[in-house]
Amino acid sequence: DGGITQSPKYLFRKEGQNVTLSCEQNLNHDAMYWYRQDPGQGLRLIYYSQIVNDFQKGDIAEGYSVSREKKESFPLTVTSAQKNPTAFYLCASKPSHRGWEKLFFGSGTQLSVL
Amino acid sequence: AQTVTQSQPEMSVQEAETVTLSCTYDTSESDYYLFWYKQPPSRQMILVIRQEAYKQQNATENRFSVNFQKAAKSFSLKISDSQLGDAAMYFCAYRSFYTGANSKLTFGKGITLSVRP
Repeated sequence: DGGITQSPKYLFRKEGQNVTLSCEQNLNHDAMYWYRQDPGQGLRLIYYSQIVNDFQKGDIAEGYSVSREKKESFPLTVTSAQKNPTAFYLCASKPSHRGWEKLFFGSGTQLSVL
Repeated sequence: AQTVTQSQPEMSVQEAETVTLSCTYDTSESDYYLFWYKQPPSRQMILVIRQEAYKQQNATENRFSVNFQKAAKSFSLKISDSQLGDAAMYFCAYRSFYTGANSKLTFGKGITLSVRP
């Protein structure tokens, strides 16, 4: 079955450490997105990519980095510059710049700081 | 910038009853899309229903329907015949019609719906 796979489900970060969250999709979607979800805050856009080898900052990109070397993969790195990384991270994808009703989400990664 | 407001953090409904979740938004645009997403305990976001602003008819998907009041900038979700599986967090979201490839979804803060058996 096609879908979006996020791993790991739970991740712990030590102070000063970079961690990478994986997002893989086999839906042949062009666009991919990373959202951060905090309690009582809703979803906020971190980064997005419309095509391979291209990505743009969202509303809260500071302290994060991404890459898009393959169409299927859009990993998110939470760097040590992100001072409050504890949150639930959701990856999403959709076929093109149209079709927002076709936006699919992964099952998320919960990141916590030790 | 567009904003989406969900002022009720929590609501509760008796099984088989009807509940309405409220959402208001602020925009200067005339054409846009509105969405309701459901996030069950599994935490995977699921699209419930969407509405195009240029359509006067309210969208309906089985037990889910919306009351779209464009002048009032209100977009409420009505769940009829509530079921235990409807218990989840519900998010209202807005997307501009005109921003093309770089358009994005703006989400509200969500509302937690509990269903009493």
